[in-house]
Amino acid sequence: GAVVSQHPSWVICKSGTSVKIECRSLDFQATTMFWYRQFPKQSLMLMATSNEGSKATYEQGVEKDKFLINHASLTLSTLTVTSAHPEDSSFYICSASLTGAGYEQYFGPGTRLTVT
Amino acid sequence: GENVEQHPSTLSVQEGDSAVIKCTYSDSASNYFPWYKQELGKRPQLIIDIRSNVGEKKDQRIAVTLNKTAKHFSLHITETQPEDSAVYFCAAKKAPGSARQLTFGSGTQLTVLP
Repeated sequence: GAVVSQHPSWVICKSGTSVKIECRSLDFQATTMFWYRQFPKQSLMLMATSNEGSKATYEQGVEKDKFLINHASLTLSTLTVTSAHPEDSSFYICSASLTGAGYEQYFGPGTRLTVT
Repeated sequence: GENVEQHPSTLSVQEGDSAVIKCTYSDSASNYFPWYKQELGKRPQLIIDIRSNVGEKKDQRIAVTLNKTAKHFSLHITETQPEDSAVYFCAAKKAPGSARQLTFGSGTQLTVLP
């Protein structure tokens, strides 16, 4: 099946700093990628839909100036958490579907962010 | 938008027994219903999915049923084993279309007691 990778797998940063998370589709092209946030013992909540070559679409309540998304190529989307605070500590997961097919979504392994 | 409700939130069964998890969805246009198993700190893993033109699908010990009229679908795990212990999520999506998003249920913590 299609493979999605994320980097880093975990990161610890200090409050006020920015952190970039990369999501790559390794063996397929993805015009659309999705970014989710998952707090402990909770479900996956969609943060934004990342579109190659255009602006991301953010879900209601997600600050687009805080969570910057860039989808510069068909295989790479990045999520930058700016001015991170402890409440941003969470598990961030990206996913993508095969362009044109669009049934199954392939998930990255996730990135554990801890803000101290 | 789509809303997916999942029950129960926790489920404990004895090894060898069956487990059933139920979900309802709100958008009648949804036509793809996957189930995911997630272990702690790991990515969601697709275990089975069903499309709206099918009422039931089975893969070894796992089956999913779909009732489009009632807008609900269920996951059935038979002969449960301790390694089935995990969080299970249902989801719904209007598909096909790679730009279509998944809407997740709230999850069920399944514990299989040896």
